[in-house]
Amino acid sequence: KNQVEQSPQSLIILEGKNCTLQCNYTVSPFSNLRWYKQDTGRGPVSLTIMTFSENTKSNGRYTATLDADTKQSSLHITASQLSDSASYICVVSAGGSYIPTFGRGTSLIVHP
Amino acid sequence: NAGVTQTPKFQVLKTGQSMTLQCAQDMNHEYMSWYRQDPGMGLRLIHYSVGAGITDQGEVPNGYNVSRSTTEDFPLRLLSAAPSQTSVYFCASRYQANYGYTFGSGTRLTVV
Repeated sequence: KNQVEQSPQSLIILEGKNCTLQCNYTVSPFSNLRWYKQDTGRGPVSLTIMTFSENTKSNGRYTATLDADTKQSSLHITASQLSDSASYICVVSAGGSYIPTFGRGTSLIVHP
Repeated sequence: NAGVTQTPKFQVLKTGQSMTLQCAQDMNHEYMSWYRQDPGMGLRLIHYSVGAGITDQGEVPNGYNVSRSTTEDFPLRLLSAAPSQTSVYFCASRYQANYGYTFGSGTRLTVV
């Protein structure tokens, strides 16, 4: 069964600090991995997409990494801002499947 | 572009009542899906469609019906509401299977 596990479940950091969120997956055959940001009361919004051949991708202060061998991805947030407070969801798609596998998300709170 | 539009944003139902959650997209996306999001459970797939006239069940389809008569619209019907259906419902669309989702802003449903 395809699974996506995210850690930590929740995280509290001070404004200006960096943090890293983890995503481990057992999805086969791997097609791509996306990170979504979900603000409170809103729908998720895509941050990055990574395919098998990519190991790093940046979107502003967000940098995603992918290790296809160990089936792990991380999302690094640099110089956090209050607006980074949200849930971050890892989603992995399998080749030939209509249905992506969602992680349960990491809830990030950034305090001033 | 409006993207994905969901109505209503909030709804309270009595047990046993029926209702339809509306979802419309204006991006000419072939793929549309309905998810429910519960605390600690992440997003779970209810039903999905890969084109007009084609629908299939997801992970938690019981108690829900869908139809896809046009590319733009994908309504979700609750046949006889139960308190277990209290949740936040998201409609999402995407161009093709390996593309990212565009999510609506959600419908918060309470069944009493």
